[in-house]
Amino acid sequence: QKEVEQNSGPLSVPEGAIASLNCTYSDRGSQSFFWYRQYSGKSPELIMFIYSNGDKEDGRFTAQLNKASQYVSLLIRDSQPSDSATYLCAVTPGIGQFYFGTGTSLTVIP
Amino acid sequence: EAQVTQNPRYLITVTGKKLTVTCSQNMNHEYMSWYRQDPGLGLRQIYYSMNVEVTDKGDVPEGYKVSRKEKRNFPLILESPSPNQTSLYFCASSALTRDDRYYGYTFGSGTRLTVV
Repeated sequence: QKEVEQNSGPLSVPEGAIASLNCTYSDRGSQSFFWYRQYSGKSPELIMFIYSNGDKEDGRFTAQLNKASQYVSLLIRDSQPSDSATYLCAVTPGIGQFYFGTGTSLTVIP
Repeated sequence: EAQVTQNPRYLITVTGKKLTVTCSQNMNHEYMSWYRQDPGLGLRQIYYSMNVEVTDKGDVPEGYKVSRKEKRNFPLILESPSPNQTSLYFCASSALTRDDRYYGYTFGSGTRLTVV
């Protein structure tokens, strides 16, 4: 069983719609959760981190964490073509080790 | 500019020829880590370092070495590269919160290594 699982997609949404990206993790002791965006040929860049159950909003992005269900999600509101990228979920139990999902490819259609 | 600098960006080498990929960060981050990224496998952690002289294995450490003699530098060493180490490598660093949580990585630009 993989530590972190994401739907590989591809996920396509029309411009202006909400994109919903999901991630599940296996280690119940995981403490910190991250979403990264990676454009083709580029390095990942941090979008958000979340530590506690509930929602965390930053501009058009909302991260949602449910530790009981071992589930973290990312919502992108008012999706733009520039949001087209691969989104990576990462989880850490907090002792130096990080586990990344294989990423979900998102395409926003103008 | 706050950044993680990796060199080289591209490297083609032959099996068995020792090489070093350098990584340097200018953000005074305590934590640094190396990853390899392969299609279908995602980012896999090779080694990490919690601070100077403190390093530990990640998920895929075989065939790699690291050292952390200075806070800013964290080189990745392949003493005898093999073709299965052909990959895209990323160095990353992160600050820690007061309760030792991570703020999230800043990644370097990546090193595309080909071993023939």
